Amino acid sequence: EAEVAQSPRYKITEKSQAVAFWCDPISGHATLYWYRQILGQGPELLVQFQDESVVDDSQLPKDRFSAERLKGVDSTLKIQPAELGDSAMYLCASSLALEGIGEQYFGPGTRLTVT
Amino acid sequence: AQTVTQSQPEMSVQEAETVTLSCTYDTSESDYYLFWYKQPPSRQMILVIRQEAYKQQNATENRFSVNFQKAAKSFSLKISDSQLGDAAMYFCAYAPSGTYKYIFGTGTRLKVLA
Repeated sequence: EAEVAQSPRYKITEKSQAVAFWCDPISGHATLYWYRQILGQGPELLVQFQDESVVDDSQLPKDRFSAERLKGVDSTLKIQPAELGDSAMYLCASSLALEGIGEQYFGPGTRLTVT
Repeated sequence: AQTVTQSQPEMSVQEAETVTLSCTYDTSESDYYLFWYKQPPSRQMILVIRQEAYKQQNATENRFSVNFQKAAKSFSLKISDSQLGDAAMYFCAYAPSGTYKYIFGTGTRLKVLA
């Protein structure tokens, strides 16, 4: 069964360093999402792509976070510089389309620890 | 603002018994979707069940069923014949029709006792 791939699974970085996460959605899924999940809370949407275009990045802290999906397939989320409060699980999800009953398929996540 | 509230941080159920997880939401939209997702420890989140707001009939998926009360803005999940593999965090999520910007609740940790 096709799955959303994410790497790395775990990342420890020091404050002020740069960090990047990668996501490969299920083949054919046009919509890709990045979420941040702080321990004990539900996921919060950071950015949503439709193909290579950003649909919603209203919750993305743009002073330090950036996301791209250059060819409309895989995606990278970057944080520079990382802050202690960025420690969280970063989840990627994909779905077939923006419209309709768009079940989202989640990857295993990248757990980031900032020291 | 649209919000999703899960008031039970943790629930326990005996194996083979039935448990109900609560979820309420707030929206002014009339057309939307509701979901329950399961997040097992160290594994990815998977969809358990979904409900379209325009459907009056409650969704069911094998041992999982929902009680959708649109007027009360309530969407509870019932798990029958609980199994050890049901132990996980369960998240309720809301998405308005036309966009898949999910809004998640804070989750309920379900423990299944042997």
